Order: sequence, then C-alpha cells, then structure tokens
Amino acid sequence: QKEVEQDPGPLSVPEGAIVSLNCTYSNSAFQYFMWYRQYSRKGPELLMYTYSSGNKEDGRFTAQVDKSSKYISLFIRDSQPSDSATYLCATTITGTASKLTFGTGTRLQVTL
Amino acid sequence: KAGVTQTPRYLIKTRGQQVTLSCSPISGHRSVSWYQQTPGQGLQFLFEYFSETQRNKGNFPGRFSGRQFSNSRSEMNVSTLELGDSALYLCASSLSVERGYTFGSGTRLTVV
Repeated sequence: QKEVEQDPGPLSVPEGAIVSLNCTYSNSAFQYFMWYRQYSRKGPELLMYTYSSGNKEDGRFTAQVDKSSKYISLFIRDSQPSDSATYLCATTITGTASKLTFGTGTRLQVTL
Repeated sequence: KAGVTQTPRYLIKTRGQQVTLSCSPISGHRSVSWYQQTPGQGLQFLFEYFSETQRNKGNFPGRFSGRQFSNSRSEMNVSTLELGDSALYLCASSLSVERGYTFGSGTRLTVV
C-alpha cells in the first residue's frame, strides 16, 4: 500500500465548475503538505503549501489538511481550461523535509 | 530569474550502458533533490544533496548515484542501465522546505 493515495482520474469538469481533488495518507508523522500542478512535458510546479492541519487560500485555490482523518484536499474555484493538468499532492516529515512523498496524481480536464 | 535547468532533455541509451544527467539549481539554492517519475510508480525520491553532501537517500539500488559541486550544480549517474530505468528524471532545488521545491522540466531517459 502506498503511503499517499490519490485517485488518478481523469476528472472532467466544465469551465467555471468547482473542482475538488483529494489525497489520503497513512503516516501520521507527515507534517508538511503540498500541491503541485504538472503540465505535459513539464516539471511539477508548486501551487500550495501548508503546515500541519488547517486551510490555506490563494486566489482561486484552497488547500485543506485534516490530520485527524489523514486527508488532504485542493479546491479550485471558477475552473479554467488552463487549469487542465495533472495535480499531485505531496507530503514530508519534519527533519527529512527534502524527501517528498507524492501521490500518483489526478489528471484534470476543464472543458469549454 | 532563471529556473532549474536540466540537461539533456531527452536521452536514449542501450541496456547495460551508463548515463549522467545534469542539474543547475536556482541561484542561491543549496538543496538539490532528484526524483524518478514513471507512469506506474509516480514520483519517487532518489536522493538529496546539500552543500556537496548527500543528506537523504531513497530506496533505489546502488546503481543510482549522485554528487553536488561547490557551485550547487548536481549530477546524477545511473550505471548498468536496465529497461525499467526508462523514466522522467526530475531535479528540484530549494532554499527551505517552507519555501517549497522548484522542479526543472526533467530529462526523459529511454533505455532500449
């Protein structure tokens, strides 16, 4: 069983929809949580970063971490065709902060 | 501001050969990490270097090695290539975990 589980999708939504992307993890020692976006033939790009439990908002993006249920979420409001990409959740333990453990990624398609 | 630069972008090697990949981090970033990305396993951590020292290592065989130079540039070497080593190899640099990791566009290695 992988330490971080993520539904691979693909997830197809119409433009303007609210998108919910989720991950679950098994290691309660994970402290830092990140969401990356990866376009085809590109490296992952950091979207959101949170430490421990709570919410963080940045423009159309909101990241949520619920450590009690080991659940990570990313919400995208007013989705745009340019949001079409693969979204990867990642997490790491304090002290080995360089070793990110990734989910396998969810492919999102926003249609016109 | 220049991003993380990886060379070459594409590489085709024969089974049994060795290969060296190069990564130039963002200026001022002293931490450089390497990841392997495959469709089946997703992104997996290889190792991290900080100030020319390997600080963390993932669960890969000894055929995978790396090094970092005094200017923070890093190289990754894979010896005795196997077909299963075909993957996108990504390099990431960082100032600190709180700032997140910036990835390069990767080197796509194909082993035939």
